[in-house]
Amino acid sequence: AQKVTQAQTEISVVEKEDVTLDCVYETRDTTYYLFWYKQPPSGELVFLIRRNSFDEQNEISGRYSWNFQKSTSSFNFTITASQVVDSAVYFCALSEYGGTASKLTFGTGTRLQVTL
Amino acid sequence: EAQVTQNPRYLITVTGKKLTVTCSQNMNHEYMSWYRQDPGLGLRQIYYSMNVEVTDKGDVPEGYKVSRKEKRNFPLILESPSPNQTSLYFCASSLFLRLDEQFFGPGTRLTVL
Repeated sequence: AQKVTQAQTEISVVEKEDVTLDCVYETRDTTYYLFWYKQPPSGELVFLIRRNSFDEQNEISGRYSWNFQKSTSSFNFTITASQVVDSAVYFCALSEYGGTASKLTFGTGTRLQVTL
Repeated sequence: EAQVTQNPRYLITVTGKKLTVTCSQNMNHEYMSWYRQDPGLGLRQIYYSMNVEVTDKGDVPEGYKVSRKEKRNFPLILESPSPNQTSLYFCASSLFLRLDEQFFGPGTRLTVL
């Protein structure tokens, strides 16, 4: 069965600090996708990134970067020079690809609070 | 504009009063799904549908019903809501077997008193 663990329930940082959100996953499949979503206080889910299991290249998008390591089954998310607008709940998620794929499996989320 | 819509966005109701949360997508997606989000638990799947007239239980189906009579619509039915169904509900859709491109609705915040 798939499982996603986000061990950090809440993180508080001061603006401009860098912060890393951890995500560890479990799956028996060799082909799968990993995701990060942001949920701001308004409640909607905002898609941030999708990564397939064959692509271990790290990715950078502005102040956001992602570190995918199959050897440790981790897909960590770093925000550089955090801003107050980054305050949100962040979810890591996993899906199988094809076959009997039926859902995204979400972690329990990490609430990030960025203060001035 | 490609989108998933949910109605209502907010609902306060009382125990036992049947309600339906609608979900509609305009992308001709085969796959649709309902999730509920609760504090400390993340999002958990309630039901999903691979296509018209094909539905199946997710992880937390108790107390819910769904139907898929048309490809674009996937309503979530609570026949006799209870307070433990107070939650934030999300509908999602994607092309069949393309969960890597799943679109989420804006969410429905339900409170059952």
